Amino acid sequence: GAVVSQHPSWVICKSGTSVKIECRSLDFQATTMFWYRQFPKQSLMLMATSNEGSKATYEQGVEKDKFLINHASLTLSTLTVTSAHPEDSSFYICSASRDREGEQYFGPGTRLTVT
Amino acid sequence: QKEVEQDPGPLSVPEGAIVSLNCTYSNSAFQYFMWYRQYSRKGPELLMYTYSSGNKEDGRFTAQVDKSSKYISLFIRDSQPSDSATYLCAIRGGYQKVTFGTGTKLQVIP
Repeated sequence: GAVVSQHPSWVICKSGTSVKIECRSLDFQATTMFWYRQFPKQSLMLMATSNEGSKATYEQGVEKDKFLINHASLTLSTLTVTSAHPEDSSFYICSASRDREGEQYFGPGTRLTVT
Repeated sequence: QKEVEQDPGPLSVPEGAIVSLNCTYSNSAFQYFMWYRQYSRKGPELLMYTYSSGNKEDGRFTAQVDKSSKYISLFIRDSQPSDSATYLCAIRGGYQKVTFGTGTKLQVIP
């Protein structure tokens, strides 16, 4: 299969602090990883696309200085929410693909609550 | 006009019923069509993946694509309580990003 994990599954942090979320492809090499955000009762919104070893491509309206993405290896990508605020509270989901055009395999998601 | 339109539901059906879920899309350049199932507080799980018009069957699930009408459907036969989830259609073209529908919440009542 193609398994993608995320850590942590749930995190609560105080306003102004930073939070790092990890996304790992466990049994395949992911040249491309995607980060999505999902608000309650809404669909997944793509935040950014990252290719291993290069800078992430952010979607319009997503602050790249606030949502730092690192894709340091073929099995790991991280999303750091810097200076988090309550409006950043959401469900963050990553997906991984063997190539840019291939099928995306989703992680289980990380629920971020900023108090 | 949204790129992908999907009725959010909720849709409640009795166990054993045939379920029909639908999406419409606006961009004829879309080439790949997917259906995902998402349980509450979980990531989406790919159910069906197709790139041509017509039907594709996998067990109790049938995906149907009509490119001329820009309309895609997912049929679930003999629905089970375990099918209760939100179903998301997803569409993309070539190297373009995937666009998701808003999802239809389905409840199968025992």
